[in-house]
Amino acid sequence: RKEVEQDPGPFNVPEGATVAFNCTYSNSASQSFFWYRQDCRKEPKLLMSVYSSGNEDGRFTAQLNRASQYISLLIRDSKLSDSATYLCVVNEGSGYSTLTFGKGTMLLVSP
Amino acid sequence: DVKVTQSSRYLVKRTGEKVFLECVQDMDHENMFWYRQDPGLGLRLIYFSYDVKMKEKGDIPEGYSVSREKKERFSLILESASTNQTSMYLCASSLIRADSTDTQYFGPGTRLTVL
Repeated sequence: RKEVEQDPGPFNVPEGATVAFNCTYSNSASQSFFWYRQDCRKEPKLLMSVYSSGNEDGRFTAQLNRASQYISLLIRDSKLSDSATYLCVVNEGSGYSTLTFGKGTMLLVSP
Repeated sequence: DVKVTQSSRYLVKRTGEKVFLECVQDMDHENMFWYRQDPGLGLRLIYFSYDVKMKEKGDIPEGYSVSREKKERFSLILESASTNQTSMYLCASSLIRADSTDTQYFGPGTRLTVL
């Protein structure tokens, strides 16, 4: 069974903290990787894609280690508005563009 | 902006009723998906479709069927609703990209309660 495993959370951090989320995936043939964000009672939305070389978008940095089948998301200078559930997502490369979602890690940023 | 809409935000049905959940996307995406999301279980794929009149089973198709008569519309049908189908149902759509970098865009969800 193809699986995507994430830290269970919740992560409680103060504003301004740096927080890291980790994720592992079981299918070595997986082709593309994403982090989605889901606010309470809302739909998931794409936060960023994850590239082999690592990529950064403002305060967010994503890393991929294909050899270890490991993905990470680093959030620097946390804001209250970063409070959400972060979903690690993998495209298995089946040809049908189906995605496998991790169960998510909840982040709570407090004042 | 991609827009995915779902027919209802909240729905309450009785056991045994036939339930239709509708999803419409306005970006001419080939792929459409139906998921359910439950606490502790995450998002699970029920069915998906990669073209009009085409459908494929996801991980948990039992108790559900789908219909895609037009490219922009994908319906999820619960033939005889049961209490264990109480859940949040999310529709999504995506383009087909050969390099698998396509991302999925989600509708706002329908919270279905079966009594």
